[in-house]
Amino acid sequence: DVQMTQSPSSLSASVGDRVTVACRASQSVSTNVNWYQQRPGKAPKLLIYAASGLQSGVPSRFSGSGSGTDFTLTISSLQPEDFATYYCQQSYDSPWTFGQGTKVEIK
Amino acid sequence: EVQLVESGGGLVQPGRSLRLSCAVSGIIFEDYAMHWVRQVPGKGLEWVSGISWNSGRKAYVDAVKGRFTISRDNAENSLYLDMNTLRVEDTAFYYCVKDFRTGLGGGLRFDHWGQGTLVTVSS
Repeated sequence: DVQMTQSPSSLSASVGDRVTVACRASQSVSTNVNWYQQRPGKAPKLLIYAASGLQSGVPSRFSGSGSGTDFTLTISSLQPEDFATYYCQQSYDSPWTFGQGTKVEIK
Repeated sequence: EVQLVESGGGLVQPGRSLRLSCAVSGIIFEDYAMHWVRQVPGKGLEWVSGISWNSGRKAYVDAVKGRFTISRDNAENSLYLDMNTLRVEDTAFYYCVKDFRTGLGGGLRFDHWGQGTLVTVSS
């Protein structure tokens, strides 16, 4: 199975900050990585697909990059509604595994 | 508007069975693969099972192989998960999830999620 490891596990940031979340795969997954946002008490929401594709309706302050084993989710200017937990997921092969999550908290 | 509504969760004893259902509306259901993803309260996400548009391909995480069975009824716009020989470690919220395409395979993405149904396995 492909293991996905996110860093950091949590971070504190202020509104307007640039935030970066990293995700590393245990083997090459090409660009087959998706990113999801989960607000407290809510279902996850797809943000980024295929490493860098912006899902319809998602604000442009969200972006993704990477290929092979190393991937990054960037929020260019953190907004109040962005405080949530973010998960990467590899879509390369079954079982389609997720990272452990990165919780973005208010500083 | 795409809607996925799960039902069937609840409290069940270890070793017993439970069937989850997901009613889907707002899309042509038979055009999409579907999945179940679970989440232990306060913990991370785990993909559990997926099924292609025509039920021709099914896949499971190792932890549930031989115990859980995914199925769908395209005429009823419904997805199911039959869970047998339940264990304490199966306790979680179970989400019904829509894929963006018909088949299972590389490049999938989960573009719509239900609100989840809680399964609690305890004596």
